[in-house]
Amino acid sequence: AQKVTQAQTEISVVEKEDVTLDCVYETRDTTYYLFWYKQPPSGELVFLIRRNSFDEQNEISGRYSWNFQKSTSSFNFTITASQVVDSAVYFCALSEMNRDDKIIFGKGTRLHILP
Amino acid sequence: DAGVIQSPRHEVTEMGQEVTLRCKPISGHDYLFWYRQTMMRGLELLIYFNNNVPIDDSGMPEDRFSAKMPNASFSTLKIQPSEPRDSAVYFCASGVTSALGTDTQYFGPGTRLTVL
Repeated sequence: AQKVTQAQTEISVVEKEDVTLDCVYETRDTTYYLFWYKQPPSGELVFLIRRNSFDEQNEISGRYSWNFQKSTSSFNFTITASQVVDSAVYFCALSEMNRDDKIIFGKGTRLHILP
Repeated sequence: DAGVIQSPRHEVTEMGQEVTLRCKPISGHDYLFWYRQTMMRGLELLIYFNNNVPIDDSGMPEDRFSAKMPNASFSTLKIQPSEPRDSAVYFCASGVTSALGTDTQYFGPGTRLTVL
């Protein structure tokens, strides 16, 4: 069965520090998508990134970067030089391409950026 | 382009009443998903449609919940009768088929339901 584990339920860092959010997944499939979503205090879910299992290249988008390692089944998310606006709950998610169309979400990590 | 639209944004009702939540997916998207989010259970997939056809409703908690998608631009989630434990934020999301299944899901703003 597919499963997504975000072991860190809550993290607090001081503004401008770097922070990494961990995500470990389980799947029987060799083809799958991984996602990160952000849920700010306003409540909406904002798509951040999608990565397919064929592409292990790490990605950087501004202060955000993602480290995908199939060997450890991890898809970690790093925010560099964090800002107060980064405070949110971040969800990692998994979708098995050839099995069904569901996305399974982790429980989320609540990130507090302290001024 | 408008994103996923949900209405109402907030709903307060009394136990036993019927509640109908509405969703308009992004134009051109052929998948539509209904989720429920609570503190205790996190994000749960309730049901999803592909080309207006329900594909998997195994996440629907019980017979009090029903969902329809009469056309490509509209879906409803109905709870009848509602109970206090149904209080949650209900999200609708839409997505488009890629070569290997659904692509990214884009979420609406959610409906915060409170059942007294």
